[in-house]
Amino acid sequence: DTAVSQTPKYLVTQMGNDKSIKCEQNLGHDTMYWYKQDSKKFLKIMFSYNNKELIINETVPNRFSPKSPDKAHLNLHINSLELGDSAVYFCASSQDTVLNTEAFFGQGTRLTVV
Amino acid sequence: GENVEQHPSTLSVQEGDSAVIKCTYSDSASNYFPWYKQELGKGPQLIIDIRSNVGEKKDQRIAVTLNKTAKHFSLHITETQPEDSAVYFCAASKREGNNRLAFGKGNQVVVIP
Repeated sequence: DTAVSQTPKYLVTQMGNDKSIKCEQNLGHDTMYWYKQDSKKFLKIMFSYNNKELIINETVPNRFSPKSPDKAHLNLHINSLELGDSAVYFCASSQDTVLNTEAFFGQGTRLTVV
Repeated sequence: GENVEQHPSTLSVQEGDSAVIKCTYSDSASNYFPWYKQELGKGPQLIIDIRSNVGEKKDQRIAVTLNKTAKHFSLHITETQPEDSAVYFCAASKREGNNRLAFGKGNQVVVIP
């Protein structure tokens, strides 16, 4: 019954590797997001997709590439992982970009780069 | 872009007392102000929100107030309970094509039994 689910929950990998985090929402929302939460709990938006189209792309290294195969999925692929990429990554979704409605967050993926 | 400041960064209260978290925002065009609660190991979850046409909103032990002139809004938790212990985030956004929530840095609330 999970509204926004992301996998894996934990990811430990070595520097230089490429990894993906998957996200799916079953709420029928139009917009999906990726946020990064650092060790100080600061939440920063990375990307936003509306109906499979990229609408927000914050200053994020090119090594991060979101992929939206359909409205219900937004995956995050990271190339050449660096130590500084260690963080918790949250996927979220909301119904509408204009009406400022509630964003539903997944449980997060704790990425540790060693 | 919008800049949201949140104070204090940590707050300890005795069970049963009230807790107040304050946020300020920079963009006068912002019109939506949600509050999220993040429990350990979980994603943030919306607990209450307020829009710019309203000055106050209450939901049981939680209330939010908004002062548009001063550009600040506050979360009030009354009769705090241990399960209120969490990180609380305020956020702001405005009605535009891209709904971009700008989050504050979070506030760790600890309720001491």
